Amino acid sequence: DAGVIQSPRHEVTEMGQEVTLRCKPISGHDYLFWYRQTMMRGLELLIYFNNNVPIDDSGMPEDRFSAKMPNASFSTLKIQPSEPRDSAVYFCASSSRQGTYEQYFGPGTRLTVT
Amino acid sequence: AQSVTQLDSQVPVFEEAPVELRCNYSSSVSVYLFWYVQYPNQGLQLLLKYLSGSTLVKGINGFEAEFNKSQTSFHLRKPSVHISDTAEYFCAVSVPGNQFYFGTGTSLTVIP
Repeated sequence: DAGVIQSPRHEVTEMGQEVTLRCKPISGHDYLFWYRQTMMRGLELLIYFNNNVPIDDSGMPEDRFSAKMPNASFSTLKIQPSEPRDSAVYFCASSSRQGTYEQYFGPGTRLTVT
Repeated sequence: AQSVTQLDSQVPVFEEAPVELRCNYSSSVSVYLFWYVQYPNQGLQLLLKYLSGSTLVKGINGFEAEFNKSQTSFHLRKPSVHISDTAEYFCAVSVPGNQFYFGTGTSLTVIP
């Protein structure tokens, strides 16, 4: 398997623009997680899905953030409008209840909002 | 509720010296325990995990960890570190049902 795939790897945008981050989980995994990592806050769980359904979005910072999982092989995290404080590395991870629940991480998307 | 505490935010150690990275957790139910490593500009990679059975768990790159239920600890150790071990290390707890809780991370710096 190719592992968790994220795109783009790097994104630079101007404040106020819409940003969409994409994730393809490992085939067969039924859980998908979105994390944000910054120097100040460390690794934060934003939202996670089970079988394409959002289970816990309490970590989503505010209404500017939204996440969808239209099918088992694709998820998006959207920020609209973006702000400089959204600059961070965003990770997607997936796991399976058939295994031991360990999470497999993608390489991350480094977002810079100027 | 579950939580994970990594007591040291930064650990400098000389090359070929031993190292221990500390992790304590709190939980009212049985948990799975994990250590992840993050090399610069990369995602998190699983080092090792404890699910059940032997309390001493061996992982990749010569790392091992010991589960201590009475002390609710899961410390990570390596007898002799290399420059390439310089990275961020995260301890994590998982409750069956899949919620993951990560610690704040320990930055290990190996000094030549």
